[in-house]
Amino acid sequence: QKEVEQDPGPLSVPEGAIVSLNCTYSNSAFQYFMWYRQYSRKGPELLMYTYSSGNKEDGRFTAQVDKSSKYISLFIRDSQPSDSATYLCAMKKPGGYNKLIFGAGTRLAVHP
Amino acid sequence: GAGVSQSPSNKVTEKGKDVELRCDPISGHTALYWYRQRLGQGLEFLIYFQGNSAPDKSGLPSDRFSAERTGESVSTLTIQRTQQEDSAVYLCASSLTLTASSYEQYFGPGTRLTVT
Repeated sequence: QKEVEQDPGPLSVPEGAIVSLNCTYSNSAFQYFMWYRQYSRKGPELLMYTYSSGNKEDGRFTAQVDKSSKYISLFIRDSQPSDSATYLCAMKKPGGYNKLIFGAGTRLAVHP
Repeated sequence: GAGVSQSPSNKVTEKGKDVELRCDPISGHTALYWYRQRLGQGLEFLIYFQGNSAPDKSGLPSDRFSAERTGESVSTLTIQRTQQEDSAVYLCASSLTLTASSYEQYFGPGTRLTVT
Protein backbone atom coordinates (compact mmCIF):
# COMPACT_ATOMS: atom_id res chain seq x y z
CA GLN A 1 0.00 0.00 0.00
CA LYS A 2 1.31 3.45 -0.94
CA GLU A 3 1.71 5.95 1.88
CA VAL A 4 -0.22 8.55 -0.11
CA GLU A 5 -3.08 7.71 -2.48
CA GLN A 6 -4.39 10.13 -5.09
CA ASP A 7 -6.79 9.48 -7.94
CA PRO A 8 -4.89 10.28 -11.16
CA GLY A 9 -8.06 11.33 -13.03
CA PRO A 10 -8.20 12.85 -15.55
CA LEU A 11 -10.81 15.27 -14.29
CA SER A 12 -12.57 17.44 -16.88
CA VAL A 13 -14.79 20.32 -15.79
CA PRO A 14 -16.39 23.37 -17.42
CA GLU A 15 -15.04 26.83 -16.71
CA GLY A 16 -16.53 28.25 -13.51
CA ALA A 17 -17.04 24.87 -11.82
CA ILE A 18 -15.92 24.06 -8.30
CA VAL A 19 -13.20 21.44 -8.35
CA SER A 20 -12.46 19.04 -5.51
CA LEU A 21 -9.14 17.19 -5.42
CA ASN A 22 -8.35 14.66 -2.70
CA CYS A 23 -5.65 12.54 -1.17
CA THR A 24 -5.68 9.93 1.54
CA TYR A 25 -2.68 8.80 3.54
CA SER A 26 -1.84 5.96 5.85
CA ASN A 27 0.97 7.33 8.03
CA SER A 28 -0.33 9.31 11.00
CA ALA A 29 3.16 10.79 11.46
CA PHE A 30 2.56 13.19 8.57
CA GLN A 31 2.02 16.67 9.98
CA TYR A 32 2.67 19.00 7.06
CA PHE A 33 0.54 18.93 3.93
CA MET A 34 1.14 20.64 0.63
CA TRP A 35 -0.45 20.98 -2.77
CA TYR A 36 1.74 21.48 -5.80
CA ARG A 37 0.62 22.46 -9.28
CA GLN A 38 2.54 21.14 -12.26
CA TYR A 39 2.00 22.42 -15.76
CA SER A 40 2.99 20.20 -18.65
CA ARG A 41 6.77 19.86 -19.04
CA LYS A 42 7.41 22.12 -16.03
CA GLY A 43 8.52 21.49 -12.49
CA PRO A 44 5.94 21.50 -9.68
CA GLU A 45 5.25 24.80 -7.90
CA LEU A 46 3.91 25.12 -4.38
CA LEU A 47 0.27 26.18 -4.27
CA MET A 48 -0.87 25.68 -0.69
CA TYR A 49 0.69 24.60 2.59
CA THR A 50 -1.12 23.56 5.76
CA TYR A 51 0.07 22.28 9.10
CA SER A 52 -2.96 21.58 11.23
CA SER A 53 -6.39 20.17 10.65
CA GLY A 54 -8.96 22.61 9.29
CA ASN A 55 -9.24 24.92 6.33
CA LYS A 56 -6.85 27.39 4.77
CA GLU A 57 -7.99 29.76 2.06
CA ASP A 58 -5.97 31.63 -0.54
CA GLY A 59 -7.98 33.40 -3.21
CA ARG A 60 -9.90 30.81 -5.20
CA PHE A 61 -8.09 27.92 -3.48
CA THR A 62 -9.01 26.24 -0.19
CA ALA A 63 -6.95 23.47 1.38
CA GLN A 64 -8.63 21.23 3.92
CA VAL A 65 -7.01 18.70 6.25
CA ASP A 66 -8.81 16.06 8.31
CA LYS A 67 -6.16 14.25 10.30
CA SER A 68 -8.67 11.98 12.04
CA SER A 69 -9.67 10.57 8.65
CA LYS A 70 -6.19 10.95 7.11
CA TYR A 71 -7.77 12.86 4.25
CA ILE A 72 -6.82 16.12 2.58
CA SER A 73 -8.59 18.14 -0.07
CA LEU A 74 -7.98 21.06 -2.37
CA PHE A 75 -10.96 23.04 -3.61
CA ILE A 76 -10.77 25.39 -6.56
CA ARG A 77 -13.62 27.86 -6.96
CA ASP A 78 -14.58 29.51 -10.24
CA SER A 79 -12.14 27.29 -12.10
CA GLN A 80 -10.38 28.79 -15.12
CA PRO A 81 -8.78 27.19 -18.19
CA SER A 82 -5.45 28.40 -16.77
CA ASP A 83 -6.01 26.03 -13.83
CA SER A 84 -5.57 23.08 -16.21
CA ALA A 85 -2.58 21.23 -14.81
CA THR A 86 -1.64 18.24 -12.67
CA TYR A 87 -2.17 18.76 -8.94
CA LEU A 88 0.06 16.81 -6.60
CA CYS A 89 -0.45 16.45 -2.89
CA ALA A 90 2.68 16.10 -0.77
CA MET A 91 3.30 15.39 2.89
CA LYS A 92 6.13 15.41 5.36
CA LYS A 93 6.81 14.34 8.92
CA PRO A 94 7.96 16.82 11.57
CA GLY A 95 11.62 17.28 12.33
CA GLY A 96 14.51 16.05 10.26
CA TYR A 97 14.69 17.25 6.73
CA ASN A 98 12.11 18.20 4.17
CA LYS A 99 11.65 14.82 2.53
CA LEU A 100 8.32 15.02 0.77
CA ILE A 101 6.11 12.06 -0.03
CA PHE A 102 3.98 12.77 -3.09
CA GLY A 103 0.71 11.43 -4.38
CA ALA A 104 0.50 10.34 -8.01
CA GLY A 105 -1.10 13.63 -9.07
CA THR A 106 -4.55 14.38 -10.52
CA ARG A 107 -4.69 15.74 -14.04
CA LEU A 108 -7.29 18.52 -14.30
CA ALA A 109 -8.67 20.01 -17.52
CA VAL A 110 -10.91 23.08 -17.35
CA HIS A 111 -12.61 23.69 -20.66
CA PRO A 112 -14.12 27.05 -21.74
CA GLY B 1 16.10 36.10 -9.62
CA ALA B 2 17.13 32.92 -11.35
CA GLY B 3 15.32 29.75 -10.41
CA VAL B 4 16.58 26.19 -10.33
CA SER B 5 18.03 25.19 -13.66
CA GLN B 6 18.67 21.70 -14.99
CA SER B 7 20.54 20.40 -17.99
CA PRO B 8 20.08 18.85 -20.38
CA SER B 9 16.34 19.34 -20.74
CA ASN B 10 16.09 16.15 -22.78
CA LYS B 11 18.45 13.21 -23.03
CA VAL B 12 18.07 10.13 -25.20
CA THR B 13 20.59 7.40 -24.58
CA GLU B 14 21.13 3.80 -25.48
CA LYS B 15 20.70 1.07 -22.93
CA GLY B 16 23.97 0.40 -21.14
CA LYS B 17 25.39 3.91 -21.52
CA ASP B 18 26.15 6.23 -18.61
CA VAL B 19 24.40 9.60 -18.26
CA GLU B 20 25.06 12.65 -16.14
CA LEU B 21 22.33 15.08 -15.18
CA ARG B 22 23.08 18.51 -13.81
CA CYS B 23 21.26 20.78 -11.38
CA ASP B 24 22.03 24.40 -10.53
CA PRO B 25 20.10 25.38 -7.37
CA ILE B 26 18.98 28.83 -6.40
CA SER B 27 21.92 30.77 -5.03
CA GLY B 28 22.08 30.56 -1.24
CA HIS B 29 19.92 27.45 -0.97
CA THR B 30 21.75 24.98 1.21
CA ALA B 31 19.38 22.04 0.72
CA LEU B 32 19.06 20.23 -2.60
CA TYR B 33 16.84 17.31 -3.56
CA TRP B 34 16.58 14.92 -6.48
CA TYR B 35 13.29 13.29 -7.43
CA ARG B 36 12.24 10.94 -10.20
CA GLN B 37 8.87 11.17 -11.91
CA ARG B 38 7.79 8.28 -14.06
CA LEU B 39 5.09 8.81 -16.65
CA GLY B 40 1.71 9.38 -14.97
CA GLN B 41 3.14 9.00 -11.49
CA GLY B 42 4.01 11.23 -8.59
CA LEU B 43 7.48 12.27 -7.57
CA GLU B 44 9.73 9.68 -6.02
CA PHE B 45 12.40 10.96 -3.63
CA LEU B 46 15.95 9.91 -4.54
CA ILE B 47 18.46 11.83 -2.42
CA TYR B 48 18.97 15.09 -0.60
CA PHE B 49 22.02 17.21 0.16
CA GLN B 50 22.75 19.60 2.96
CA GLY B 51 25.72 21.51 1.63
CA ASN B 52 27.88 18.90 -0.05
CA SER B 53 26.98 16.01 2.23
CA ALA B 54 24.14 13.58 1.54
CA PRO B 55 22.63 12.40 4.84
CA ASP B 56 19.91 10.41 3.10
CA LYS B 57 20.50 8.39 -0.03
CA SER B 58 17.76 5.90 0.75
CA GLY B 59 15.73 6.71 -2.36
CA LEU B 60 18.44 5.82 -4.86
CA PRO B 61 17.05 2.77 -6.70
CA SER B 62 20.31 0.87 -7.12
CA ASP B 63 24.07 1.20 -6.98
CA ARG B 64 23.97 2.34 -10.61
CA PHE B 65 22.73 5.68 -9.30
CA SER B 66 25.03 8.16 -7.59
CA ALA B 67 25.01 11.88 -6.92
CA GLU B 68 27.41 14.52 -5.73
CA ARG B 69 27.31 18.18 -4.95
CA THR B 70 30.01 20.81 -5.01
CA GLY B 71 29.70 22.89 -1.84
CA GLU B 72 26.32 24.60 -1.86
CA SER B 73 26.25 24.78 -5.62
CA VAL B 74 25.91 22.45 -8.57
CA SER B 75 24.83 18.84 -8.17
CA THR B 76 25.15 16.00 -10.64
CA LEU B 77 23.15 12.79 -10.73
CA THR B 78 24.91 9.97 -12.55
CA ILE B 79 23.23 6.84 -13.81
CA GLN B 80 25.57 4.10 -14.95
CA ARG B 81 24.67 1.32 -17.38
CA THR B 82 21.24 2.80 -18.01
CA GLN B 83 18.23 0.51 -18.29
CA GLN B 84 14.89 1.15 -19.96
CA GLU B 85 13.19 1.40 -16.57
CA ASP B 86 15.36 4.44 -15.84
CA SER B 87 13.33 6.41 -18.39
CA ALA B 88 11.65 9.21 -16.45
CA VAL B 89 11.79 12.91 -15.71
CA TYR B 90 14.45 13.69 -13.13
CA LEU B 91 13.60 16.75 -11.08
CA CYS B 92 15.85 18.77 -8.85
CA ALA B 93 14.64 21.08 -6.09
CA SER B 94 16.34 23.38 -3.62
CA SER B 95 15.32 25.09 -0.41
CA LEU B 96 16.85 27.53 2.04
CA THR B 97 17.47 25.19 4.95
CA LEU B 98 16.36 21.86 6.29
CA THR B 99 14.27 23.27 9.11
CA ALA B 100 10.60 22.52 9.21
CA SER B 101 9.78 26.18 8.64
CA SER B 102 11.59 26.13 5.32
CA TYR B 103 9.11 23.81 3.76
CA GLU B 104 9.03 25.30 0.29
CA GLN B 105 11.08 23.44 -2.27
CA TYR B 106 11.65 25.21 -5.57
CA PHE B 107 11.74 22.84 -8.50
CA GLY B 108 13.61 22.98 -11.74
CA PRO B 109 11.98 22.05 -15.06
CA GLY B 110 13.47 18.57 -15.01
CA THR B 111 15.53 16.43 -17.37
CA ARG B 112 13.50 14.04 -19.49
CA LEU B 113 15.57 10.86 -19.86
CA THR B 114 14.69 8.28 -22.48
CA VAL B 115 16.63 5.01 -22.60
CA THR B 116 16.23 3.16 -25.89
